[in-house]
Amino acid sequence: GIQVEQSPPDLILQEGANSTLRCNFSDSVNNLQWFHQNPWGQLINLFYIPSGTKQNGRLSATTVATERYSLLYISSSQTTDSGVYFCAVHTGTASKLTFGTGTRLQVTL
Amino acid sequence: DAMVIQNPRYQVTQFGKPVTLSCSQTLNHNVMYWYQQKSSQAPKLLFHYYDKDFNNEADTPDNFQSRRPNTSFCFLDIRSPGLGDAAMYLCATRIDRRGQPQHFGDGTRLSIL
Repeated sequence: GIQVEQSPPDLILQEGANSTLRCNFSDSVNNLQWFHQNPWGQLINLFYIPSGTKQNGRLSATTVATERYSLLYISSSQTTDSGVYFCAVHTGTASKLTFGTGTRLQVTL
Repeated sequence: DAMVIQNPRYQVTQFGKPVTLSCSQTLNHNVMYWYQQKSSQAPKLLFHYYDKDFNNEADTPDNFQSRRPNTSFCFLDIRSPGLGDAAMYLCATRIDRRGQPQHFGDGTRLSIL
């Protein structure tokens, strides 16, 4: 099956810093989603981005489908950004999701 | 406002005692999914319903079953839970149209005593 790798696995930032998270996938995909999982386990959809660039406030994402990667940018990080960030790729006729390995982000004061 | 609702948020059961988790949706989406997420791991698909058609993943354990009595509701039944089944269970829905994402509920965290 398709492999989805994320880097870095862990990231510690001071409040106000910027960061880039990367997602590499091993095969063609129908689509890609970025999620933030908060400390209570809720999975929050950040972006649905098969290709191109999207922005939402301090967050933006870019997917280059032909090169099989996606990037999530977090600017001016806040403590509430802490949690685990997953990318997940849609494959097959039912658009099943295969999740990446995740990046655990901790933002400190 | 919640569109995919999972009940309960926390569930405790005894080893070997059957347990049912529920998911309901107000989105009228035709596809519903169940994912299992163990501690410090990524969510993993167990099965999905495409309308009424049930689709099991190859490596989903036999003691996991599901029911979808109508479009709005989907249940996850664990017949004989073992300690290894302690996890967060996430339900998701999607309308089968081009360019549509999956929408997730808040999950049910299952503990086994």
